[in-house]
Amino acid sequence: ETGVTQSPTHLIKTRGQQVTLRCSSQSGHNTVSWYQQALGQGPQFIFQYYREEENGRGNFPPRFSGLQFPNYSSELNVNALELDDSALYLCASSLGSATDTQYFGPGTRLTVL
Amino acid sequence: RKEVEQDPGPFNVPEGATVAFNCTYSNSASQSFFWYRQDCRKEPKLLMSVYSSGNEDGRFTAQLNRASQYISLLIRDSKLSDSATYLCVVHREGYSTLTFGKGTMLLVSP
Repeated sequence: ETGVTQSPTHLIKTRGQQVTLRCSSQSGHNTVSWYQQALGQGPQFIFQYYREEENGRGNFPPRFSGLQFPNYSSELNVNALELDDSALYLCASSLGSATDTQYFGPGTRLTVL
Repeated sequence: RKEVEQDPGPFNVPEGATVAFNCTYSNSASQSFFWYRQDCRKEPKLLMSVYSSGNEDGRFTAQLNRASQYISLLIRDSKLSDSATYLCVVHREGYSTLTFGKGTMLLVSP
């Protein structure tokens, strides 16, 4: 196991609602990256947080936002949910912002109805 | 053109077969290369890194051709437990993101 945890494991929401997903990074890691994986696709980079600051963002709209806390845990917030937001949301923790060594959590499966 | 492209799947093979997965990447600035394995409804897990000289880990062999921007994974003597989706991943030095291919599903049957 990687020591990266995510909550909740599953979530069902309706269109227009807002959701918050949580990630606890591996001990000693200061960086959390978030990825969205739609069914049948590879994970797509949403953004990364390094020492509580956003450090890099993929091609996702502003309704996807995040936070990182002093203990390096992180939240992903999605506002105005759309059906296409249904996916597995993965967080990955790492030591350093530009490292290729990232440890993935088990993911949160979000279904938007 | 997608930054990382993989063979479309699924690949259906019998136990004991040898199977090869191919991957191409478009950004020549890519520096690090990996194969990840993802079981159904689970998170991706690092299978192996890929080095220019080629590298082997038991039944798994990975190759990288920087000139052709091509990566491969060979699995020999397939086991039922090898059934999974295999993701080709690249990383550019100095960037925060890993870039994943779509994945190729492997189904090994008895």
